[in-house]
Amino acid sequence: KAGVTQTPRYLIKTRGQQVTLSCSPISGHRSVSWYQQTPGQGLQFLFEYFSETQRNKGNFPGRFSGRQFSNSRSEMNVSTLELGDSALYLCASSLVTAGGPGNIQYFGAGTRLSVL
Amino acid sequence: KQEVTQIPAALSVPEGENLVLNCSFTDSAIYNLQWFRQDPGKGLTSLLLIQSSQREQTSGRLNASLDKSSGRSTLYIAASQPGDSATYLCAGSYNTNAGKSTFGDGTTLTVKP
Repeated sequence: KAGVTQTPRYLIKTRGQQVTLSCSPISGHRSVSWYQQTPGQGLQFLFEYFSETQRNKGNFPGRFSGRQFSNSRSEMNVSTLELGDSALYLCASSLVTAGGPGNIQYFGAGTRLSVL
Repeated sequence: KQEVTQIPAALSVPEGENLVLNCSFTDSAIYNLQWFRQDPGKGLTSLLLIQSSQREQTSGRLNASLDKSSGRSTLYIAASQPGDSATYLCAGSYNTNAGKSTFGDGTTLTVKP
């Protein structure tokens, strides 16, 4: 069974540009979460999508947005990039059940974004 | 505010030693707690998940415990090996069926041959 796949693995952009990152969850998983990881702030929750609906949202500006498609694949978009957006962006999927091991989050390898 | 803290930030031990990594959380209404491992520049690998109704989980040389009343979780690694060197993160989830976790900053473990 394939794991969580994130594309691209590396990205270099300049300030003011926008970027779209992609995440394909494990087959059958309907929940997809996005996190930003930086040396200074650690891992911070961006948002979670479940059945094409945003279910949770972290404390990030509106420049960060996402969506989920009917096949559970998810995209994250960052508009008007700033230097501080340079980070490792991680996607996680989980098989949502009413409690139990279904809440295990499985992470992809991440997309390393550098903003110049 | 839900916060997760991991102390120490770094730990170095000789090969073969048993060790304990600590994780503290401020909100006892935790739903589950998950331990991850992260190698440099890589994503996170799930090690163990403990539901709020459980006290501990075991997988091979790893044992994780959860004490909601004290707001603590520990990850015990038996007979450490150089391949265990990595950053270990704990994450608390406060919502049922929700993929939103609050992460600690991690403990970077170095196991010396």
